[in-house]
Amino acid sequence: GAGVSQSPSNKVTEKGKDVELRCDPISGHTALYWYRQRLGQGLEFLIYFQGNSAPDKSGLPSDRFSAERTGESVSTLTIQRTQQEDSAVYLCASSLAPRGTNEKLFFGSGTQLSVL
Amino acid sequence: GNSVTQMEGPVTLSEEAFLTINCTYTATGYPSLFWYVQYPGEGLQLLLKATKADDKGSNKGFEATYRKETTSFHLEKGSVQVSDSAVYFCALGSQGNLIFGKGTKLSVKP
Repeated sequence: GAGVSQSPSNKVTEKGKDVELRCDPISGHTALYWYRQRLGQGLEFLIYFQGNSAPDKSGLPSDRFSAERTGESVSTLTIQRTQQEDSAVYLCASSLAPRGTNEKLFFGSGTQLSVL
Repeated sequence: GNSVTQMEGPVTLSEEAFLTINCTYTATGYPSLFWYVQYPGEGLQLLLKATKADDKGSNKGFEATYRKETTSFHLEKGSVQVSDSAVYFCALGSQGNLIFGKGTKLSVKP
């Protein structure tokens, strides 16, 4: 597609349920990032993929969070046993060049997650 | 550690007013500085950037100058339009990491 696509755009879930958030990066972009923005906060880095591997997972806030990427394309962010503090906008971004090369990131519109 | 602080919003201006959104940073080394913009319903997009001290980034009438002496990268536009209504994020890039400010929501009234 022409841009980074995320789905769903909105997700409401009950506390304790698992959720999966999907990101389709721009075709050919080898680098993929997940960020989170909680209300009134700045963007928080979660995880970085280069190809299908994740050399930097340092931003994942707990072991309830995991992510995978397949085919150097689609990525899924999974949150298990959701908590209310997980409510946020989850943003995906991709770039053509690897991290650290002054690359330009392209962002999706995000998934608004609300945990009741 | 590295951090970015930008002015709290929301900012409401009339069309053709002058805009300044302040951004200051704390960093070791020589980071790159960015402004990203998020229009309603869209993803973040890079607005402009500067990679070294005294560089000026510019795009769509917006400008920001990398000031090492004041550790600032303030965003300015001489005459805003309704179509500039969006959330603006200042960001710092260093050693492969991008750190964002909290974002400033700008509303421009006709």
